[in-house]
This record gives sequence, structure tokens and C-alpha cells, in this order.
Amino acid sequence: QKEVEQDPGPLSVPEGAIVSLNCTYSNSAFQYFMWYRQYSRKGPELLMYTYSSGNKEDGRFTAQVDKSSKYISLFIRDSQPSDSATYLCAMSEIKAAGNKLTFGGGTRVLVKP
Amino acid sequence: DTAVSQTPKYLVTQMGNDKSIKCEQNLGHDTMYWYKQDSKKFLKIMFSYNNKELIINETVPNRFSPKSPDKAHLNLHINSLELGDSAVYFCASSQDRIRGPYGYTFGSGTRLTVV
Repeated sequence: QKEVEQDPGPLSVPEGAIVSLNCTYSNSAFQYFMWYRQYSRKGPELLMYTYSSGNKEDGRFTAQVDKSSKYISLFIRDSQPSDSATYLCAMSEIKAAGNKLTFGGGTRVLVKP
Repeated sequence: DTAVSQTPKYLVTQMGNDKSIKCEQNLGHDTMYWYKQDSKKFLKIMFSYNNKELIINETVPNRFSPKSPDKAHLNLHINSLELGDSAVYFCASSQDRIRGPYGYTFGSGTRLTVV
């Protein structure tokens, strides 16, 4: 069983819909939670990051962390065709140097005009 | 100006060959990483260097050898390439003491195909 599980999709939604993504994890030492977006043939880019349980909002994006359930979510409101990409959750323990990210396998999202 | 640049972008080579991938960052970061992304999109860490010192060395065949000549460069040499080495290899850098795990910047990847 992988440390971080993520549904691979694809998740297809009409433009303007809410996209809901989630990951579960098994390592209770994870303290930092991130969402990355990866366009085809590009490197991942950081979208959101959170430290504690709760919600964090940034524009159309909301990240949620529930450490008691080991479950994190990302919501994208008013989705646009430009949001079509693979979304990867990532997690980390905290270290002084060499913060290793453990990734989920990514969910491919397609937003149709 | 590209922050984390990798060369080459594409690499097609035969089984048994030896090849190298180069990475350079101009962000002034102190930590650099190699990640491997397989065909199912799983990104997994391979190595990390902090100020030229190897600090993460995951379970990777010893055919893979990283080298960091200075803190702005991290290269990956692969000996005796195998079919299973086909993947996209991403270099990344971060400024750990300031931003911790949030500060990663990834390169655009090197797509390695072993035939």
C-alpha cells in the first residue's frame, strides 16, 4: 500500500463547475501538505500549501486538511478550461535540510468548455 | 531566465548505454533534488544534496550516481541503462531553511526512453 493514495481520474467537468480532489495518507508524521499542478510535459508547480488541519483559501482554490482522518482535499471553484491538468498532492515531514516530498499519483482533470 | 533548467529535455538511448542528465538552478537555493516520475505519474524522490553534501539517498540501484560540483548544479549519471529506467526525471531545488517543504521549484523534466 502506498503512503499517499490519490484517485487517478480522469475527472471530467463542465466549465464553471466545482472540481473536488482528495488524497488519503497513512504516515501520521506528515505535517506539511501541498497541492501541485502539472501541465503536460511540464514540471509540477506549487498551487497551495497548508500546515495544520483546517481550510485555506486562495482565489478560486480551497485546500482542506483533516489530520485526524488523514485526508486532504482541494476544491477549484468556477473551473476554467485552463485548469485542465494533473493535480498532485504532496506531503512532508519537517527536517532542517532535505525536505522529501511524498506524492500521490495525481488526478487528471479535464474542464470542458 | 529559467530558474531550474535541465538538459537534455529528451533522451533516447539503447539498453546498456551510460548517460548523464544535467541540472542547474539560478535561484540561490541550497538544496537540490532528483525525482523520477514513472508512466503512472508517480513522482518519487531519488537523491538530495544540500550544499554539495548528499543528504537523501533513497533505495535506488547503484547504477544511478548523482554528483554536485557546486550548490547550483546537480547531475545524474546512469550506467548500464535498462528498459525500466524509462521515465521522466525531474530536478528540483529549494531553500530549506527559509521555506522548508514549500519552497520547491521543479525543472521541466528530462524524458528518458531506453530502447
